[in-house]
Amino acid sequence: QAQLVQSGAEVKKPGSSVRVSCKTSGGSFTSFSITWVRQAPGQGLEWMGRIIPTFPTPDYAQKFQGRVTLSADEVTRTVYMELSSLRSEDTAVYFCARGGVGLGLGYMDVWGQGTKVTVSS
Amino acid sequence: DIVMTQSPDSLAVSLGERATINCKSSQSVLNSFNSRNYLAWYQQKPGQPPKLLIYWASTREFGVSDRFRGSGSGTDFTLTISSLQAEDVAVYYCQQCHITPHTFGQGTKLEIK
Repeated sequence: QAQLVQSGAEVKKPGSSVRVSCKTSGGSFTSFSITWVRQAPGQGLEWMGRIIPTFPTPDYAQKFQGRVTLSADEVTRTVYMELSSLRSEDTAVYFCARGGVGLGLGYMDVWGQGTKVTVSS
Repeated sequence: DIVMTQSPDSLAVSLGERATINCKSSQSVLNSFNSRNYLAWYQQKPGQPPKLLIYWASTREFGVSDRFRGSGSGTDFTLTISSLQAEDVAVYYCQQCHITPHTFGQGTKLEIK
């Protein structure tokens, strides 16, 4: 059974960077995409970007272009999300979620537990 | 980006009654080649990650109760929950999976009346 386990909560200073990991188990690592979604306190879901391990170039939402980097390590079956130049508005729970590969397969059927990132001086 | 708009923002329904949530996309999410609408619905309970309920607008995810039904095509979609149960209290989101970024609706909070 597929499972995504994320790294623990982080507290960061404004202007710094954070890296959140998402370790996958079950299923083929290269047959799925991993999407990152964030949720600010009391707010809705926000799609940040998606990576397919076998593809060289992740897909990022324009809003995060230049600040977010997604990467994947096939050996450890782990996907990473790094967000730089942090500001208070980046305080949120960050989720990784598994999706398909191909047209129309962007829905996510397995989710990580979420990682709370707090940006505060 | 495709803008997803849900209505209402919140909804209170009596136990055993039907709940209806609407979702409208700013452009069609229908793939005319395979006639599939790339629209998903999720349920999120407090402190939990979202749970996939419906994909391709009307295909129920494995294990999801048949009280949940998705319908619609093009730009207008509906999630219907028949015979509301206490465990259905949650926030529901639609998401388009047609063009990245795969944007979400703002969410609809469902409560018991």
